[in-house]
Amino acid sequence: QKEVEQDPGPLSVPEGAIVSLNCTYSNSAFQYFMWYRQYSRKGPELLMYTYSSGNKEDGRFTAQVDKSSKYISLFIRDSQPSDSATYLCAMSAGGATNKLIFGTGTLLAVQP
Amino acid sequence: DAGVIQSPRHEVTEMGQEVTLRCKPISGHDYLFWYRQTMMRGLELLIYFNNNVPIDDSGMPEDRFSAKMPNASFSTLKIQPSEPRDSAVYFCASRSAGTGNTIYFGEGSWLTVV
Repeated sequence: QKEVEQDPGPLSVPEGAIVSLNCTYSNSAFQYFMWYRQYSRKGPELLMYTYSSGNKEDGRFTAQVDKSSKYISLFIRDSQPSDSATYLCAMSAGGATNKLIFGTGTLLAVQP
Repeated sequence: DAGVIQSPRHEVTEMGQEVTLRCKPISGHDYLFWYRQTMMRGLELLIYFNNNVPIDDSGMPEDRFSAKMPNASFSTLKIQPSEPRDSAVYFCASRSAGTGNTIYFGEGSWLTVV
């Protein structure tokens, strides 16, 4: 079993829809959770960062972490065609090594 | 800052040839990471350095892969001999203690081994 599982999609939604992206994980030591966005033929860029459980909101984006269920989510409200990209969850236990473990990514297409 | 700079952006090589990928991290960053991305396996950490010293190379797939960081502003990932299954996008990333858990990626080197 992989440490981090993510549905690869693809996920296609109409413009304006609410998008829900999810990851599950198995390592209970993870306490730092991130979402990266990767446009085609580009490197991943950090989108959202949360520590431990709870919610974090930034504009149209909301990240949720449920450590009891080992489940994290990214919600995109009022999705736009410019949101079309691959979304990768990433997580780390922190500490000296601080290795980031990535999900395989979900490909999102927002249709105008 | 120019960000993490990788070269070459694209490389097509024949099986058995040596491939060298290069990376210049963001100035002041003391951690450097090499990742490989494929459709099947996603982003895999190959190796990372702290202050130019290799810390964890457990992700390096086999002895054909080697990485060096001779100074704070330059790293190489070498594959010798290359095989078709090495075809992937190789990303270099860097961070500093000040960026916490945020790592910054380059735009990747797209390798095709035929």
